[in-house]
Amino acid sequence: SAVISQKPSRDICQRGTSLTIQCQVDSQVTMMFWYRQQPGQSLTLIATANQGSEATYESGFVIDKFPISRPNLTFSTLTVSNMSPEDSSIYLCSVGARRGGDYGYTFGSGTRLTVV
Amino acid sequence: SQQGEEDPQALSIQEGENATMNCSYKTSINNLQWYRQNSGRGLVHLILIRSNEREKHSGRLRVTLDTSKKSSSLLITASRAADTASYFCAGGRYNTDKLIFGTGTRLQVFP
Repeated sequence: SAVISQKPSRDICQRGTSLTIQCQVDSQVTMMFWYRQQPGQSLTLIATANQGSEATYESGFVIDKFPISRPNLTFSTLTVSNMSPEDSSIYLCSVGARRGGDYGYTFGSGTRLTVV
Repeated sequence: SQQGEEDPQALSIQEGENATMNCSYKTSINNLQWYRQNSGRGLVHLILIRSNEREKHSGRLRVTLDTSKKSSSLLITASRAADTASYFCAGGRYNTDKLIFGTGTRLQVFP
């Protein structure tokens, strides 16, 4: 299955600033997914990023707040813009992967963001 | 919200005991997956069961799926302290690669 390198692993940021999170995959993948996990909560899908097209955002998430880049089939970035304390969460990227006859997902190790 | 729900929210057991976690979901699914998350890190895929399957085993894991009740269970047998983690179910839907995650169960296994 694919291996994902996600960075930074954690950061503490001032409100009003922006943070860009990077995910590098060791193989070419069509779709990458970005999730948010608020403290003590489950994962919520932010957007799906296809190479060569605009990302598709889920309800409640907008491009101005979470711009995504997908310049090639192995890399994607998520920016959290104009941050507020409510943006403090773990952000994870994910790609689909074949596992024998099954299709599961591989996740990056996550970025723990604290906004102060 | 279409998010699945899991129970219990938290479970504490002794090493060697079995741990059972339940998941209920709302939408039709193509498959149901279980993931483990250690200490707020990345998720690790454990097992996938397809909508036309009722039971599946992988090592110490046993998963069941009841599509009529829109529910699934994950059984971890002979638990170990290293199994301490949060466990999430996630529904894979038809014609989309999106996953809908459950609320998660925090499992604590005491040595």
